[in-house]
Amino acid sequence: KQEVTQIPAALSVPEGENLVLNCSFTDSAIYNLQWFRQDPGKGLTSLLLIQSSQREQTSGRLNASLDKSSGRSTLYIAASQPGDSATYLCAVTNQAGTALIFGKGTTLSVSS
Amino acid sequence: GAVVSQHPSWVICKSGTSVKIECRSLDFQATTMFWYRQFPKQSLMLMATSNEGSKATYEQGVEKDKFLINHASLTLSTLTVTSAHPEDSSFYICSARRTGGLSYEQYFGPGTRLTVT
Repeated sequence: KQEVTQIPAALSVPEGENLVLNCSFTDSAIYNLQWFRQDPGKGLTSLLLIQSSQREQTSGRLNASLDKSSGRSTLYIAASQPGDSATYLCAVTNQAGTALIFGKGTTLSVSS
Repeated sequence: GAVVSQHPSWVICKSGTSVKIECRSLDFQATTMFWYRQFPKQSLMLMATSNEGSKATYEQGVEKDKFLINHASLTLSTLTVTSAHPEDSSFYICSARRTGGLSYEQYFGPGTRLTVT
């Protein structure tokens, strides 16, 4: 059974710092991996999607990498800003068209 | 495009009553919709997969008689929590997969906060 783990559970950094969020999954036979942002009491915003054949994706200050063989992904946030404060969720799908399996998330707090 | 709405955004109900949550794909057709539940500081957990015109597939441990899912059209799925209890209080989120679209595309609704008193 696929399990997704995110470390750390919470992270506090001063504005301007670069940071890395970690995600690991137990079954490397994934179809794709996604990173989401969730603000308190709100729904999900998709940040980046990496197909199983890809190694990384970039969007603005965000860069996500995928190492399928080791069952790991990282989300790199450059030059963090207070507006980046949110919970970041990692999720994988094992097969095309199936539901996402989520980690518990990393709650990020960026202080000004 | 690809907007999913949920209604209501929040609801408070008394223990023992039933409450219906709607998930709509506003600008696309969705053969498949997924229902997730999220408890405070926990991950989203899949409850069931809803396919238009057929019975929903429930995850292990989810009571199908308590959480009734109806996907009667290509743009609407409903989740009815029957005989709600305080432990059903949670954040319910749906996602919709576009019919004929890329297999990995799923679009999430904004969620519904259910509080059972």
